[in-house]
Amino acid sequence: DADVTQTPRNRITKTGKRIMLECSQTKGHDRMYWYRQDPGLGLRLIYYSFDVKDINKGEISDGYSVSRQAQAKFSLSLESAIPNQTALYFCATSEPWGFYNEQFFGPGTRLTVL
Amino acid sequence: AQTVTQSQPEMSVQEAETVTLSCTYDTSESDYYLFWYKQPPSRQMILVIRQEAYKQQNATENRFSVNFQKAAKSFSLKISDSQLGDAAMYFCAYTNGGGGADGLTFGKGTHLIIQP
Repeated sequence: DADVTQTPRNRITKTGKRIMLECSQTKGHDRMYWYRQDPGLGLRLIYYSFDVKDINKGEISDGYSVSRQAQAKFSLSLESAIPNQTALYFCATSEPWGFYNEQFFGPGTRLTVL
Repeated sequence: AQTVTQSQPEMSVQEAETVTLSCTYDTSESDYYLFWYKQPPSRQMILVIRQEAYKQQNATENRFSVNFQKAAKSFSLKISDSQLGDAAMYFCAYTNGGGGADGLTFGKGTHLIIQP
């Protein structure tokens, strides 16, 4: 079984719709992250959370919000989706003082906003 | 803020040959980690190799090795005996050391093509 899972894997939505991407992990890690990948731009950090009560903005947080419902769950919301939010979204986890501060990635969610 | 630069949007190599992917980074920190990730068409992010800034010895994982030049802030990836399965996007990434892992900073990626 995968340690970091993301749902849905693919989603097509329309401009103005609210959408939530979910991430769950069984690794027992405290830290969770959301990244966005666009062609030619690599991955960029949207939000990260060190625990349920500690949420921080990343490089590109505008237009997004997050919720850390439990240690194992971290959701990303687009309140009113727009076409330039079409991208591949990754969730990742890590543990404090972990080996090389390594992050473990989910399989990604392909989001298309029409 | 840290930055990571990959200057080669695309590279092509013949099967069984050796290829080197370039990466430079900018940071004022002395304690940090560097990574190379592979992203095949399945889009999964796969860790290829990692390097700690305090270690002078270059990391090696089977056919993959790095040339870490700390003073030059350079972290290149060498793939020996290239195989068709090596075809993918490759991303160089940076994170600070210590316990405060506030996310990875990625380069824009290099698309590696393997010619049979």
